[in-house]
Amino acid sequence: KQEVTQIPAALSVPEGENLVLNCSFTDSAIYNLQWFRQDPGKGLTSLLLIQSSQREQTSGRLNASLDKSSGRSTLYIAASQPGDSATYLCAVYSPLLYFGTGTSLTVIP
Amino acid sequence: GAVVSQHPSRVICKSGTSVKIECRSLDFQATTMFWYRQFPKQSLMLMATSNEGSKATYEQGVEKDKFLINHASLTLSTLTVTSAHPEDSSFYICSVPGGLAGGGDTQYFGPGTRLTVL
Repeated sequence: KQEVTQIPAALSVPEGENLVLNCSFTDSAIYNLQWFRQDPGKGLTSLLLIQSSQREQTSGRLNASLDKSSGRSTLYIAASQPGDSATYLCAVYSPLLYFGTGTSLTVIP
Repeated sequence: GAVVSQHPSRVICKSGTSVKIECRSLDFQATTMFWYRQFPKQSLMLMATSNEGSKATYEQGVEKDKFLINHASLTLSTLTVTSAHPEDSSFYICSVPGGLAGGGDTQYFGPGTRLTVL
């Protein structure tokens, strides 16, 4: 069964810093990997989707990379803002969707 | 993109009662829908796969007699928590695949339902 792990579990950074969130998965046979954002008590917002054949995807200040062979993905957030504070979840689709444990991000003004 | 709705968004009930949660795919028909549960400060866990016209597939450890799933149409799946207990209090989210299953499609998530059992 696929297992997805995210490191760190929590992260606190001052505004303006660049940061990296890590996601690892045990089974490299995936169809795609998604990064989500979840605000407290709310549902999920999809940030980026990387197909298994792709290496990275970019959207604004966000860049996600995928190394399928090593079972790793990173989410890079440039010039962090207080509004980026949320929990970030990665999920792999293989063929069901398995979620990571999440990284709680706090950006301090 | 697809829009998925859930109803209700929040429900509080007494222990022992049953609660029905609806998940609707508003933009397209879905033969498959997924139900997830999220306990406080934990990640989402897949509960079951809802299949239109057939029985749902439950993940290990999820009681099918307690969490009844009905996928009666291509746009509606319902999750009924029967004889709810305080430990069933959780955030329930459904999702709809955005394309052909297994074809690298994305998932569209509902806004979630917060269930509190007193």
